[in-house]
Amino acid sequence: KNQVEQSPQSLIILEGKNCTLQCNYTVSPFSNLRWYKQDTGRGPVSLTIMTFSENTKSNGRYTATLDADTKQSSLHITASQLSDSASYICVVSAWSNYQLIWGAGTKLIIKP
Amino acid sequence: EAGVVQSPRYKIIEKKQPVAFWCNPISGHNTLYWYRQNLGQGPELLIRYENEEAVDDSQLPKDRFSAERLKGVDSTLKIQPAELGDSAVYLCASSLENPDSNTGELFFGEGSRLTVL
Repeated sequence: KNQVEQSPQSLIILEGKNCTLQCNYTVSPFSNLRWYKQDTGRGPVSLTIMTFSENTKSNGRYTATLDADTKQSSLHITASQLSDSASYICVVSAWSNYQLIWGAGTKLIIKP
Repeated sequence: EAGVVQSPRYKIIEKKQPVAFWCNPISGHNTLYWYRQNLGQGPELLIRYENEEAVDDSQLPKDRFSAERLKGVDSTLKIQPAELGDSAVYLCASSLENPDSNTGELFFGEGSRLTVL
């Protein structure tokens, strides 16, 4: 069964600190992996899209990594800001039917 | 460029009443999605359109949910009759191409929050 699991479920860190969010998937055949940021009460916004051949991709202070062999991805946030408080959702695209498999997200809270 | 527009943003109804949500995608985006999102969970696909054709409606509860995308542009999602368990945020998204493409990035609207009493 195609699944995406994220950890931790929630995370609280102090402003200025770094953090790493994890995503494990069992989606096959794999097409691409995406990370979305969702502010409370808003729709998700795309951060990165990575294909099988990409190991790392950055978007400002956000850096995503992908290990297609172990089927793991991580999202690293550097020098966190209060505006980073949001849910971060990992999404994997299955090649055969264009299906997007969504994780439940990690709720990140940045405290001043 | 205008983003994906949804309305209404909030809707409160009593159970058994009908409700409808409207979505206008980004101009030129052929693919349109309706998702349902419960609190603390990721979005769940209800239906995906390629132009005016519904290409994936396998998760749409067809006994009470219906959707249409006339002329391949804007779309409506209807629930009739609504049940307590339908309380959720209904998200509309659009993309230029299918999800397998690197240009298949999804752009979401702000969502319509439904509360069924």
